[in-house]
Amino acid sequence: DAGVTQSPTHLIKTRGQQVTLRCSPKSGHDTVSWYQQALGQGPQFIFQYYEEEERQRGNFPDRFSGHQYPNYSSELNVNALLLGDSALYLCASSFGDYSNQPQHFGDGTRLSIL
Amino acid sequence: DAKTTQPPSMDCAEGRAANLPCNHSTISGNEYVYWYRQIHSQGPQYIIHGLKNNETNEMASLIITEDRKSSTLILPHATLRDTAVYYCIVLTDSWGKFQFGAGTQVVVTP
Repeated sequence: DAGVTQSPTHLIKTRGQQVTLRCSPKSGHDTVSWYQQALGQGPQFIFQYYEEEERQRGNFPDRFSGHQYPNYSSELNVNALLLGDSALYLCASSFGDYSNQPQHFGDGTRLSIL
Repeated sequence: DAKTTQPPSMDCAEGRAANLPCNHSTISGNEYVYWYRQIHSQGPQYIIHGLKNNETNEMASLIITEDRKSSTLILPHATLRDTAVYYCIVLTDSWGKFQFGAGTQVVVTP
C-alpha cells in the first residue's frame, strides 16, 4: 500500500516563473492538505482540498492555488515565484473523522528559486 | 487556537527512554494532541495521538495529564534512528488543519 507520493522531488526555478507540484494521496484517503516548510521552521498550512474544492486556506497569497482531481490527487500551483518561495512543499492526506485520524505526509518537493 | 510549548532541544543516550514534554495550557475539551517527528529531508511521520487517556503503540507512549494541560511523549528505548525534530500539535480544527510549532530537536547519542 503506497503512502503519499509527491513529484518532483527537487525543482529549480527562477524568479517570476510558475511551478506545479503534484501529490497522490494514500490509498483510501479523500482529503489533501498542502504545507510549506522554510528551512529551520515547522510546516505552515497553505490550503486543503476535499471533493475537488478548496475547503480552507492558510495565510498565503493568491499566487498559491491548487486543484484536486476526481481520483483525489492534487496539484499545487505557484505563480510569479519569489525568492522567499524557496522551501520544502509537503502534501498530506487523510480520511474520515479528521480530528481523530492522523494525516500522512509525503517526503515533499524541494523548490529552489534563483 | 491552542498553542503548544516544547523545549528547543534534548539529548538522549541510546537505549534509554526519551521523555519529551509538551505544554498546551489552553487546550479545549474536544481537541486532540498529536505527535509527529521529522527526520532530516523527510516528511513528518505520524507517531501517536490522544484525547484524554494515555495511549501506546509500537512506536511510543503518550501520557496526558488529567487536566490535559500538558503531555509527554515517551520513546521507551531510544535508538540513533530516533534522532529527529519532534512536533507536539493540538488539533484545533475539525477538518485537520495542523499548526506546527518549532518542535524539539532530539539527538540520540551512542
